[in-house]
Amino acid sequence: GQQLNQSPQSMFIQEGEDVSMNCTSSSIFNTWLWYKQDPGEGPVLLIALYKAGELTSNGRLTAQFGITRKDSFLNISASIPSDVGIYFCAGQPATSGTYKYIFGTGTRLKVLA
Amino acid sequence: NAGVMQNPRHLVRRRGQEARLRCSPVKGHSHVYWYRQLPEEGLKFMVYLQKENIIDESGMPKERFSAEFPKEGPSILRIQQVVRGDSAAYFCASSPVSQRNQPQHFGDGTRLSIL
Repeated sequence: GQQLNQSPQSMFIQEGEDVSMNCTSSSIFNTWLWYKQDPGEGPVLLIALYKAGELTSNGRLTAQFGITRKDSFLNISASIPSDVGIYFCAGQPATSGTYKYIFGTGTRLKVLA
Repeated sequence: NAGVMQNPRHLVRRRGQEARLRCSPVKGHSHVYWYRQLPEEGLKFMVYLQKENIIDESGMPKERFSAEFPKEGPSILRIQQVVRGDSAAYFCASSPVSQRNQPQHFGDGTRLSIL
């Protein structure tokens, strides 16, 4: 089946640092979503991207839909302790006949105060 | 969590028993998706339903698993004769319309443990 490669798998950073993570696929996607999941909870939608090249911000978060439509990037600026969690990308394949999303394996972020 | 309600939050079953997981979508949403998440992994699509119809069940095992979304009431994911490998977190998501590009809003999941 289709897979999304998400990297890095985990990150330890100092409070105040910027964070970058990305998702890549071998096939074209129509939509990219970025979610954050805290322990014991469901994923919460952070940013949705709908067009190639689109750059969207949500507070300290910025995400981009890659020009090739095969990748997406999420940046977090000036990280704070509450940014800790697992970040998932999710993409909707262009060839999908239905509206399911494929999820990446997650980037586990830990922020050191 | 965006209004999707799942219950129970935790479910413990013995091998061979049945597990029934419920999902009430956001009010007004008529599309429901079920995902499974194993520890330290991402979410894996199982099934997509609209009211009274299964649209895509390509991610759901053919045996023991079934899903429904009746005209009235919550969506139900049913696992018969559970085995240890069914232990996972099961998440439900909903979206409002049948257009592409609609983001999905998730519930807080049901954590199923098989003894």
